[in-house]
Amino acid sequence: GAVVSQHPSWVICKSGTSVKIECRSLDFQATTMFWYRQFPKQSLMLMATSNEGSKATYEQGVEKDKFLINHASLTLSTLTVTSAHPEDSSFYICSARGSRGSYEQYFGPGTRLTVT
Amino acid sequence: AQSVTQPDIHITVSEGASLELRCNYSYGATPYLFWYVQSPGQGLQLLLKYFSGDTLVQGIKGFEAEFKRSQSSFNLRKPSVHWSDAAEYFCAVARQSGGSNYKLTFGKGTLLTVNP
Repeated sequence: GAVVSQHPSWVICKSGTSVKIECRSLDFQATTMFWYRQFPKQSLMLMATSNEGSKATYEQGVEKDKFLINHASLTLSTLTVTSAHPEDSSFYICSARGSRGSYEQYFGPGTRLTVT
Repeated sequence: AQSVTQPDIHITVSEGASLELRCNYSYGATPYLFWYVQSPGQGLQLLLKYFSGDTLVQGIKGFEAEFKRSQSSFNLRKPSVHWSDAAEYFCAVARQSGGSNYKLTFGKGTLLTVNP
């Protein structure tokens, strides 16, 4: 149980275009989803927290107009990188939490984004 | 501010040898602590967690960790390492982010190499 998937697992896009990454909780309803960014050989940095049906809360320094997050249902959250630039190339990982107040997060396998 | 320190960036051990990965945290309240493992290009898998109670916690894959409040540490151990344990290991602390929400703060990770 508690499986989280991400799609696509790997994407290449041209500079200036937008790319959407999906995060799905497959066997549970996720009241909260988190989006992380991981640079090579570095830790995970939390980008934003999204609760189903409400606007995402972004961490300091994260551009909300560039990284659009939508959490339209209890099983799906999307991250859209708008007007992507090469510096947006990174490994993006989502996680999901089944109930408010729970400390545990279940992580997706990640999406490798390369912007050329 | 909450923080997690993993002093060892890279550790190499021989297969069959014992392993200890260090983690120190800084958190004002009672910490909720986690160890995750990340294989190359993959998301994170939870090894074990500490919320309260017995300070020695058992996890999956033969791992255990000991919470020592006096030392602000939560070190991960395994008595006999297998080649398949080669991966990146992250220590994390859950911090309250408002209401009943909690966020994870990760350490920078320790890369484990296992020699045959």
